[in-house]
Amino acid sequence: DGGITQSPKYLFRKEGQNVTLSCEQNLNHDAMYWYRQDPGQGLRLIYYSQIVNDFQKGDIAEGYSVSREKKESFPLTVTSAQKNPTAFYLCATRPLAVGTDTQYFGPGTRLTVL
Amino acid sequence: SQQGEEDPQALSIQEGENATMNCSYKTSINNLQWYRQNSGRGLVHLILIRSNEREKHSGRLRVTLDTSKKSSSLLITASRAADTASYFCARGQGAQKLVFGQGTRLTINP
Repeated sequence: DGGITQSPKYLFRKEGQNVTLSCEQNLNHDAMYWYRQDPGQGLRLIYYSQIVNDFQKGDIAEGYSVSREKKESFPLTVTSAQKNPTAFYLCATRPLAVGTDTQYFGPGTRLTVL
Repeated sequence: SQQGEEDPQALSIQEGENATMNCSYKTSINNLQWYRQNSGRGLVHLILIRSNEREKHSGRLRVTLDTSKKSSSLLITASRAADTASYFCARGQGAQKLVFGQGTRLTINP
């Protein structure tokens, strides 16, 4: 996990509320990613960003928003439009040097909607 | 969309035995990666094999890749209790994205 911080570890939300999940990295990696994991399932890509002030939708972007104002930070907002937000959210980073395809993951945030 | 299929979905073996997990995919790849996830934690990268490679080793891990069959396997030799985790294959899609399989839950019994 080292070098990537996700907070909080556990988050509870009432229906209709927006919440923001934090992801901070000190690895100086260019690319950052947000994934969603449901119980017993693999990871699905929500959004990713290769450079500051630029990001692209992944496979399941509806109901989510992101920003990339700083290289170190890539917060994810889960909006009230996301119909089933209860899940485990993972942030990852990757350097963009040629040949570096490995992603590095944070410890995750578990979001529960009450 | 997830385009990796892993099997078995769950595997339970005795400590000291070898564990083999398989991954199939549908489209061409640049590389295929294997990750481990302990319960409730983030993923840890284990090994990457490129499309022009057939086999790769790292400690007790051995990964094979058969691009003609669009499949890969991960072998863990001499398993230990600490190997208990979920294992995911991930296909490198283009230059930026990974597509993950659903994972194999491995349990090592003492």
